[in-house]
This record gives sequence, structure tokens and C-alpha cells, in this order.
Amino acid sequence: NAGVTQTPKFQVLKTGQSMTLQCAQDMNHNSMYWYRQDPGMGLRLIYYSASEGTTDKGEVPNGYNVSRLNKREFSLRLESAAPSQTSVYFCASSEGGAGRNEQFFGPGTRLTVL
Amino acid sequence: DAKTTQPTSMDCAEGRAANLPCNHSTISGNEYVYWYRQIHSQGPQYIIHGLKNNETNEMASLIITEDRKSSTLILPHATLRDTAVYYCIVRALTGTASKLTFGTGTRLQVTL
Repeated sequence: NAGVTQTPKFQVLKTGQSMTLQCAQDMNHNSMYWYRQDPGMGLRLIYYSASEGTTDKGEVPNGYNVSRLNKREFSLRLESAAPSQTSVYFCASSEGGAGRNEQFFGPGTRLTVL
Repeated sequence: DAKTTQPTSMDCAEGRAANLPCNHSTISGNEYVYWYRQIHSQGPQYIIHGLKNNETNEMASLIITEDRKSSTLILPHATLRDTAVYYCIVRALTGTASKLTFGTGTRLQVTL
């Protein structure tokens, strides 16, 4: 099992460019999440998908859109990148529903917006 | 979810026990204490969680005070590979998704 995979690992954008971060999990998990982590800070939740077909805003959703493509894949789109979106982006998944719900994280995408 | 307070950093000698404290004085009766760690900018990794009883697994032990207002994560024999940022998170096991609220955590440095 690969667990949670993210592509790309690194990306540099110019202000105003758009891009999509890809995330996939092979653990048959229902719930998936996107977080961002700024230097010296903890992770902050951008969007999450409790189950296939649903998405909800997290703590910092402005400037982002998400798509739960199927049960395995959850993508994060920046329509018009801004320097304030320079960060490390982590995708995670969990079984979902009430219960222990341990989250499994991907390796992250390091994004720089110039 | 209740807010947590952790020391910014701690040091521990290799082979000794690392005791990481966490205060969560506003914790509710249905909220669990979770611990995750993040090694060198990798994705966070789940360690352990508990409600009110002490818990132990292959990675660590979790001691929760009787009033549940604080807890301690114990790494019994710390190694250099345990150098990481440790996050204490409080959340209820309800709802359809396990959203986590991360603080800034405790940076544990294990030294020779």
C-alpha cells in the first residue's frame, strides 16, 4: 500500500497562475482533507470531504477550491495564486464516521508563489 | 474543540524517557486527547489517543490526569529518530469527519 500520495512534490508559480494539487489514497478511506502549513506554524485545515460526493470548508478556505473526484482522489485548486499561498500543503485521509478516525498524511507539496 | 497549551521546546537525552506535557483545561466530557508528531517537515503521524484512562501502544504511553485537564505523552526510551514536533489535539469522536486543529506543538530534540 502506498498510503496517501501527493503530486507534485514541489511547485513554483507566478502570481495569478493557477494549478491543481493532486491527492490519492489507497486505503479505501471515506474522508479526505487538505491542510496548509506555514513556516513555524501548525497545520490549518483548508477543505475536507467527509465522504465521496461531499466537500466542506475548513478554517482557511479562501482562494481555494476542491474536487472529490472519486473515493480515492481529492484535488485542491488554486485559481489565481497569490504570494500568501506560499506554503506546504498536506493531504490526509481517514476512515470517516464517528470513532478513532486516525488521519494518515501524505508527504506534502511545497508551493512557492512569486 | 478545546484549546491545548504545550511548551514550545524540550530536550531529552537518548535512551531516557521523554515526558511531553499538555494542558487542556477546557476539555469537554466527550472530547478525546490525541497526539501526533511531525518529523522534519514530513506529514504528521498519529501516535496515540485516550479519553480518561491511561493508554499504551508500541510507540508511547498517554497519562491523563483524573480531572482530564492535562495529559503527558511518554516516550519510554527516546532515540534520535524521535526528534520531531509533537502535537496535542483535543477533539470529540462525533460527526462524519475527524477534523484536527493543530497548535504549534512541542519541538522535542533528542541528543546523544
